[in-house]
Amino acid sequence: DGGITQSPKYLFRKEGQNVTLSCEQNLNHDAMYWYRQDPGQGLRLIYYSQIVNDFQKGDIAEGYSVSREKKESFPLTVTSAQKNPTAFYLCASTNRDRGTYEQYFGPGTRLTVT
Amino acid sequence: SQQGEEDPQALSIQEGENATMNCSYKTSINNLQWYRQNSGRGLVHLILIRSNEREKHSGRLRVTLDTSKKSSSLLITASRAADTASYFCATDGSSGYALNFGKGTSLLVTP
Repeated sequence: DGGITQSPKYLFRKEGQNVTLSCEQNLNHDAMYWYRQDPGQGLRLIYYSQIVNDFQKGDIAEGYSVSREKKESFPLTVTSAQKNPTAFYLCASTNRDRGTYEQYFGPGTRLTVT
Repeated sequence: SQQGEEDPQALSIQEGENATMNCSYKTSINNLQWYRQNSGRGLVHLILIRSNEREKHSGRLRVTLDTSKKSSSLLITASRAADTASYFCATDGSSGYALNFGKGTSLLVTP
């Protein structure tokens, strides 16, 4: 099965701890994205990567970091500098070669920081 | 940045009825997409309409685009309880094939 996997589904952390969310895709997509979703809100872009070893900040990158060492993987670290980290995090990818913007989403990770 | 804005925020209908939700956006676009999200899940792409298209169909879905009014509508015909979900419009962003999502319309279809 081709698709995007995110793990874990639920994550609980204490305030002040860094936490890394996993995102893996086997769709052979070049571009990958991280979004944050708060209750009743749309998606806000955190970081995106168009190619391995390259990534750009989105609209709300402060307090987050990413890496793109492999085409298949785009992990997101939520650092202690992120003031309101509790949210639903969604990873997505797209095939740039198709010339369309359709994005494929993972099932999401719900992060709760107390 | 969130460019799209859906209307209404919430919609409740009975099975068999049609559901219409609207999306307005601010700047010019190359294309507009609609996505569906079941509660607590990831988004699923429904349909994409390009800026030079006015209407597009996919099964029970009908999407229209009016670039002069910077608006789009999604019509779901003969709704089913399984259509209960949140629906988001998304416009192409400034770079990196990123998308700008609206806040969504929450659709409830009751049997």
